[in-house]
Amino acid sequence: DAGVTQSPTHLIKTRGQHVTLRCSPISGHKSVSWYQQVLGQGPQFIFQYYEKEERGRGNFPDRFSARQFPNYSSELNVNALLLGDSALYLCASSLIRGTYEQYFGPGTRLTVT
Amino acid sequence: AQSVAQPEDQVNVAEGNPLTVKCTYSVSGNPYLFWYVQYPNRGLQFLLKYITGDNLVKGSYGFEAEFNKSQTSFHLKKPSALVSDSALYFCAVKGNRDDKIIFGKGTRLHILP
Repeated sequence: DAGVTQSPTHLIKTRGQHVTLRCSPISGHKSVSWYQQVLGQGPQFIFQYYEKEERGRGNFPDRFSARQFPNYSSELNVNALLLGDSALYLCASSLIRGTYEQYFGPGTRLTVT
Repeated sequence: AQSVAQPEDQVNVAEGNPLTVKCTYSVSGNPYLFWYVQYPNRGLQFLLKYITGDNLVKGSYGFEAEFNKSQTSFHLKKPSALVSDSALYFCAVKGNRDDKIIFGKGTRLHILP
């Protein structure tokens, strides 16, 4: 089975622009979580979605939003990009929300200039 | 608020020696605890989890971790280190009241040949 896939792999944007990152979970997984990983730090929790509903939100501004589609894939949107949004954005899927291990995708490397 | 502390930025161990990577946590309610590993140019990989039950949890690649409720710790251990264990290790925690998963900042493990 394919693992978690994310697109694009790399992305360069300018300050003030908007970006959409995409994630496809492992087949059968209904929970998707998004994380931001800045170099030298651990992943920071942004959102969790389960059965298309938001089930958790981290300490990120309203410029960050996400949604989950009927096929359980997910999008992370970031508006009005700032230089500080430059990071590796990780998507993780799990079979059941919260209590089980998460399987991470390779991430999308976002650079804001 | 939930938090995870990995007090060591780096741990150096000679090949064949036992290794320990430390983790302490703070969470409301009973914790769900996880260890993940990140190899260079590869995504985060699940190693093991503690949800309930036996305090000693066994995981992938010969790793194990011991849950200590009184010390709020979940240290990662391996009896005999391999050079291939060299990687970045993250401890993570989830409380039982919401779906936020909080990662530590990571500990870089160097196994010396």
